[in-house]
Amino acid sequence: AQSVTQPDIHITVSEGASLELRCNYSYGATPYLFWYVQSPGQGLQLLLKYFSGDTLVQGIKGFEAEFKRSQSSFNLRKPSVHWSDAAEYFCAVGAGYAGGYNKLIFGAGTRLAVHP
Amino acid sequence: ETGVTQSPTHLIKTRGQQVTLRCSSQSGHNTVSWYQQALGQGPQFIFQYYREEENGRGNFPPRFSGLQFPNYSSELNVNALELDDSALYLCASSFSGQGLKEQYFGPGTRLTVT
Repeated sequence: AQSVTQPDIHITVSEGASLELRCNYSYGATPYLFWYVQSPGQGLQLLLKYFSGDTLVQGIKGFEAEFKRSQSSFNLRKPSVHWSDAAEYFCAVGAGYAGGYNKLIFGAGTRLAVHP
Repeated sequence: ETGVTQSPTHLIKTRGQQVTLRCSSQSGHNTVSWYQQALGQGPQFIFQYYREEENGRGNFPPRFSGLQFPNYSSELNVNALELDDSALYLCASSFSGQGLKEQYFGPGTRLTVT
C-alpha cells in the first residue's frame, strides 16, 4: 500500500541550530516527492519537490531535501533554523498512475517548535 | 497572478445538513483537487477534477461530490453532514498538460459540524 511515514510527531530545536525532518515512503513506482509547510490555520505552502534527476533538491526558505531510493527516504534539512520556521511540515508522495500522479498521499506531519 | 482562493473561510453546520465549498484555481491552472484535513492529521485526498470530469477519487463516500466549471473553478458538496466531517477542507490547483506539475493549495475552509 502507498504510504508516507514521518516518524517524528514533534521536534524542538534552538534558533540557529540545524534541522533534519525525516520522511519514509512506500510506493511501488517512481516516487514523486514533496515537502509542504503549514502555519497555524493556514493552507499548505510547497517547500520543494523531487520528480527526477539530482537527488539533492533545493527549495525555498533555505530548505533542501535528499532522495535516497535505497532507504525509501526523502529527509528535509536546513542548516540554520529561524524562529519563523516554527510550523507543521508535511511530506507527501504523488500517486495515481504510471508516469504521473493525480493525488498526494501525506504523512501525519511533524510539528516544529523553535526556541529563541 | 492570483493564487488559489477558497470560500467561505469558516462555517458551522448542523448534522444532517448539506454544505457547498468553493475554490477558484490559480491563473493558468486547469486541474483542481480537494483534500480533507482532520485536526492533527495530514490531508487526505477526496477527488480531483480535470476538464470538468472527475479524475480520481479517494476513499470517501458518495455523499462527497464535486463540480468543475468551464473557468476551472470548483465546488465540493457534502450531503447529510456527520460530526466526523468537521475538518479543514483544502483545495489545490495545478496544470495538467506537458510534464509533471506541482499542486498549489488554497488557505482552506474550516467546517464545523455540530
